[in-house]
Amino acid sequence: EAGVAQSPRYKIIEKRQSVAFWCNPISGHATLYWYQQILGQGPKLLIQFQNNGVVDDSQLPKDRFSAERLKGVDSTLKIQPAKLEDSAVYLCASSLGPTEPSFYTFGSGTRLTVV
Amino acid sequence: GENVEQHPSTLSVQEGDSAVIKCTYSDSASNYFPWYKQELGKRPQLIIDIRSNVGEKKDQRIAVTLNKTAKHFSLHITETQPEDSAVYFCAASPGNFNKFYFGSGTKLNVKP
Repeated sequence: EAGVAQSPRYKIIEKRQSVAFWCNPISGHATLYWYQQILGQGPKLLIQFQNNGVVDDSQLPKDRFSAERLKGVDSTLKIQPAKLEDSAVYLCASSLGPTEPSFYTFGSGTRLTVV
Repeated sequence: GENVEQHPSTLSVQEGDSAVIKCTYSDSASNYFPWYKQELGKRPQLIIDIRSNVGEKKDQRIAVTLNKTAKHFSLHITETQPEDSAVYFCAASPGNFNKFYFGSGTKLNVKP
């Protein structure tokens, strides 16, 4: 089956600019997650969607980050304005739902560099 | 919330030797513990997982052990091969399996 698709793979922007990332989960996966992985660290959950509703966004810096999942399928994560410390890989993951964690699959990520 | 600590941060072994990576967690409600392997520039991939009702699980050269009382779990790789070289992450998930809290990662280098 197709995996979790993310684009772009790489993005370089200047601080204070805006950027958006796109994620297409595995077909039929109701739950979608965005993680931030700073170099040398483990992934940190930013936001979790169940269908098109937000389940958890407690670690999302809401003054500059926003995310949406229209129609319960694709999702976009936006940063506006970007800061140097936002440089990281942004990973999207999806799963069937809360009872099947083994189907939790990551995308290849978008590497963001803020200069 | 949950806090997962992982040690060591780097591990270098000779091909054929065993490697052990250890993680501790803080939330006694955590009941699912996956391990991910991440090669450079690639996405994390699940290599093995264990649920809290099991003490040990094995899959060929890879095994995971869980001690709920002490709140720690470990990844064991036997007969290591150069292709095992990667960064390994442990994670813990409380309650409903959805949210994963990751450790900081262990960079494993297997020398031929």
